[in-house]
Amino acid sequence: EADIYQTPRYLVIGTGKKITLECSQTMGHDKMYWYQQDPGMELHLIHYSYGVNSTEKGDLSSESTVSRIRTEHFPLTLESARPSHTSQYLCASTSTQGVTEAFFGQGTRLTVV
Amino acid sequence: AQSVSQHNHHVILSEAASLELGCNYSYGGTVNLFWYVQYPGQHLQLLLKYFSGDPLVKGIKGFEAEFIKSKFSFNLRKPSVQWSDTAEYFCAVTADNYGQNFVFGPGTRLSVLP
Repeated sequence: EADIYQTPRYLVIGTGKKITLECSQTMGHDKMYWYQQDPGMELHLIHYSYGVNSTEKGDLSSESTVSRIRTEHFPLTLESARPSHTSQYLCASTSTQGVTEAFFGQGTRLTVV
Repeated sequence: AQSVSQHNHHVILSEAASLELGCNYSYGGTVNLFWYVQYPGQHLQLLLKYFSGDPLVKGIKGFEAEFIKSKFSFNLRKPSVQWSDTAEYFCAVTADNYGQNFVFGPGTRLSVLP
């Protein structure tokens, strides 16, 4: 079944650690996104990609980085986690063929202590 | 600045009450409009979408929305809510002159009392 997966679902990590949040989709979508969402708040676009080897920064400045080596995989990395990075991170994908909706993963809730 | 606004932060209704959630956007040009729902502990799911044609669109679970271009609005409606509709609702827009990136409103939390 075509879907979009994020791991881990929950992560508690100490300050200064390097972390990578995984996102994979099996829908063959070209475009992928990372959003940051604080509880009860709106989604903020932090990174997106049009396809392999394409990465762009979104509206919200973020200290994270992303890579897109394979179409289906769009990991997000924090080199040195800080408490201010505590949030929920949502990955999404959409086709670039015509106009379609975005499909979301279940999110990774990150807590940096 | 280009943005999406939602009128209510938190709406509380009793079962069988009618629902209308407001959404306004500030983009010019051609837009595509979406309503997403996020049930507690679950991922965002699409309720309905508008790309073109009939401005009144019907979605899943009895929801509908009306695109009023002159008012830059895309309000979500449901004639009779159920307890299971308790969730967070997000309006989203993509625009041709914004690289077709999804921009979300701040969300409206709906609580339906049994």
